[in-house]
Amino acid sequence: TQLLEQSPQFLSIQEGENLTVYCNSSSVFSSLQWYRQEPGEGPVLLVTVVTGGEVKKLKRLTFQFGDARKDSSLHITAAQPGDTGLYLCAGAWDNNDMRFGAGTRLTVKP
Amino acid sequence: DAGVTQSPTHLIKTRGQQVTLRCSPKSGHDTVSWYQQALGQGPQFIFQYYEEEERQRGNFPDRFSGHQFPNYSSELNVNALLLGDSALYLCASSGRQGQEGYDIPVFFEDYEQYFGPGTRLTVT
Repeated sequence: TQLLEQSPQFLSIQEGENLTVYCNSSSVFSSLQWYRQEPGEGPVLLVTVVTGGEVKKLKRLTFQFGDARKDSSLHITAAQPGDTGLYLCAGAWDNNDMRFGAGTRLTVKP
Repeated sequence: DAGVTQSPTHLIKTRGQQVTLRCSPKSGHDTVSWYQQALGQGPQFIFQYYEEEERQRGNFPDRFSGHQFPNYSSELNVNALLLGDSALYLCASSGRQGQEGYDIPVFFEDYEQYFGPGTRLTVT
């Protein structure tokens, strides 16, 4: 069974702090996506990573794909209240199966 | 340019009933995927439709069925509703129309999915 584990499950920080959330699997991904979901809305795609060791930046967000393509991290610098939301990773495997993790619920307090 | 739309927004049904949820994909998209998101969980893949056929299916019983129409819109049908079917049902569209040499879309690689706001189904 291909599973994704996201950690931490909940994270509450003050505005201006940095944070990192993680997405791990025991299987090698063919690609991995990060989404952010706000209450009452569907997930919004942030990034797709495909190559092992790949690093992508989106303003204050930095996404890294592990060298072995089994894990990924999302680092947010100087978090703002607008970053509050549920951060989901979704991994695809070579058999075209795709699974979402349970997400990290981030709260950034002003 | 309209994004993915879903209807209805909310729905309350009783056990044993049947429900139909609807999705219109983003303009230019030809592929529709359906997900179930239980409270506090990530979305779980139900199935994907492309060219009016079910192309991929997750681990959901046959009570869950779907359809895609020639205009790429899609329906999700759930029969014999159970209390455990209460969830947010998300529709996501994607596609790479107009790309030369593009035959069958790779499932998720380099493939942006756009999600609708979801339909909140409550089964009592």
